[in-house]
Amino acid sequence: KNEVEQSPQNLTAQEGEFITINCSYSVGISALHWLQQHPGGGIVSLFMLSSGKKKHGRLIATINIQEKHSSLHITASHPRDSAVYICALSTGNQFYFGTGTSLTVIP
Amino acid sequence: DADVTQTPRNRITKTGKRIMLECSQTKGHDRMYWYRQDPGLGLQLIYYSFDVKDINKGEISDGYSVSRQAQAKFSLSLESAIPNQTALYFCATSGGRDREKAFFGQGTRLTVV
Repeated sequence: KNEVEQSPQNLTAQEGEFITINCSYSVGISALHWLQQHPGGGIVSLFMLSSGKKKHGRLIATINIQEKHSSLHITASHPRDSAVYICALSTGNQFYFGTGTSLTVIP
Repeated sequence: DADVTQTPRNRITKTGKRIMLECSQTKGHDRMYWYRQDPGLGLQLIYYSFDVKDINKGEISDGYSVSRQAQAKFSLSLESAIPNQTALYFCATSGGRDREKAFFGQGTRLTVV
């Protein structure tokens, strides 16, 4: 069973391109998270959302609770954005994780 | 210093050996989790603990055991390591005002040969 589905699995972009990563989910949630995992392995939290939209620098995250869908956008992508982006759900007691989107930004 | 610290960061061990991965946190969180990550798969929950006296199996607990020695410490043991336990292991914490957010350690890369 997959509570969280992400797309695409892999994404290659030219520097400067606008990037969108999508996340759909099937369970009731208290919050949705976007995480970033760099090649070294460490995981950091980018956003936590329960409604609407959040922006941090070139990153924008949106969520539509009714449609159970979230998107992560990266504007003016840069090679340093190359990482795995993971959509995660919290239900109050547990976390569920997508399989991740591997992003490579080429100079 | 990191809020969630895992040791060791890398480990190679032989099949059949017992190995312990340790996790400590300075967040003051009551909840701690152990996950493993395999290529192409999402993080899978091994065990979780909501306080020192509360230990629960996750979706892939077979072959693993845990110990919550204190609120700040949560150890994962592989009693008899096997090659398909080769993976990246993460400890995470949540709790208090951070109940909806997980804080991750840097991960332990374990290789069983």
